[in-house]
Amino acid sequence: EVQLVESGGGLVQPGGSLRLSCVASGFTFTDFEMTWVRQAPGKGLEWVSYIDFTASAMYYADSVQGRFTISRDNVKNSVYLQMNSLRVEDTAVYYCARGKTGLGGQGTLVTVSS
Amino acid sequence: DIQMTQSPSSLSAFVGDRVTITCRASQDISNNLGWIQQKPGKAPKSLIYHASNLQSGVPSKFSGSGSGTDFTLTISSLQPEDSATYYCQQYSSFPFTFGPGTKVDIK
Repeated sequence: EVQLVESGGGLVQPGGSLRLSCVASGFTFTDFEMTWVRQAPGKGLEWVSYIDFTASAMYYADSVQGRFTISRDNVKNSVYLQMNSLRVEDTAVYYCARGKTGLGGQGTLVTVSS
Repeated sequence: DIQMTQSPSSLSAFVGDRVTITCRASQDISNNLGWIQQKPGKAPKSLIYHASNLQSGVPSKFSGSGSGTDFTLTISSLQPEDSATYYCQQYSSFPFTFGPGTKVDIK
């Protein structure tokens, strides 16, 4: 069974940093690209970032470019999202996805507030 | 950026009804389209990838079709547990984009 378990969310002040983690199981991690998606309270889904199989290519939404960094550890079957210079508008539940569209985790809530 | 639109924005149907949701891309995305279900208060869950392929464990009452710019998600026989918001997502080119969602209710 495919499992994606996100963690690392919390309350942070504007300008602060957080590192999100997503541990994957139930599939061969190195066979899949990975993606982060977020959902602000009461809003729709927004793509955040993508990383390919070997971390050779990464892409970001314009809204997070230069502030967020995606990475992966193929030994630990994990993907990460380092979030710096956080803004109030980054408040959302963050989900990781298997491949480009395989959402299935429970998400982790990031709240940016003073 | 590729814009995704969905219609209708919401619908209400009876148990047992056949329900169809439409998604349209602003440019050709081939079959690089997924459908996602989000039940109230729950995390979103992928149903379909590559326009018509069911994710593992997804019941066969869900089906997807289309290619290019026009896509559909069909629920063959609507059940109470299908009450949810359904999103389409293109992953043909960056930035990946989602449709605004279609809310499905049971009459």
